[in-house]
Amino acid sequence: GAVVSQHPSRVICKSGTSVKIECRSLDFQATTMFWYRQFPKQSLMLMATSNEGSKATYEQGVEKDKFLINHASLTLSTLTVTSAHPEDSSFYICSAYPGGWNYGYTFGSGTRLTVV
Amino acid sequence: KNEVEQSPQNLTAQEGEFITINCSYSVGISALHWLQQHPGGGIVSLFMLSSGKKKHGRLIATINIQEKHSSLHITASHPRDSAVYICAVMKDSNYQLIWGAGTKLIIKP
Repeated sequence: GAVVSQHPSRVICKSGTSVKIECRSLDFQATTMFWYRQFPKQSLMLMATSNEGSKATYEQGVEKDKFLINHASLTLSTLTVTSAHPEDSSFYICSAYPGGWNYGYTFGSGTRLTVV
Repeated sequence: KNEVEQSPQNLTAQEGEFITINCSYSVGISALHWLQQHPGGGIVSLFMLSSGKKKHGRLIATINIQEKHSSLHITASHPRDSAVYICAVMKDSNYQLIWGAGTKLIIKP
């Protein structure tokens, strides 16, 4: 149980275009989801905390207008990378805490974004 | 100083060896997580601990709240255990995780 489905798993886009990444909680309601970014050989960096029905909370240094987060329902959060540039190329992963689940957090499978 | 410190940073061992990865933290926590990240990037939550010890197959996790220290053990290690193992603590009620830097484990056949 406690599965988060993330897609796409890989996306290649042209500079200047926007890319949407979706995370769905399949068997639980996720009032809060976390969005992370990971550069090669580095630890995950929290970008923002997504709260259902309200504005996301962004970490210091993360551009709100660049990384649009929408959490319109208890089972879906989306991250849109707007006007993507090559430096936005990275691995993006979402996470949720189902609460009461013995293993703690559950993670999406991640999205590898390449901007060309 | 980081709030969550892991050691070792890298570990290479032979198949069958007993593996220990350590995690120390300097803040008050509500729970500690051990996570596994495979080369493809996917992350799996192995354990969530708030006290004592948990076991799942060949994996054992322990935590000492007084000493602010946790260990992850792998018995009878296998090449498929090769991955990055990450310790992360849940610090406060907003469920955010504070991450260790990870331990890259390589098990050679």
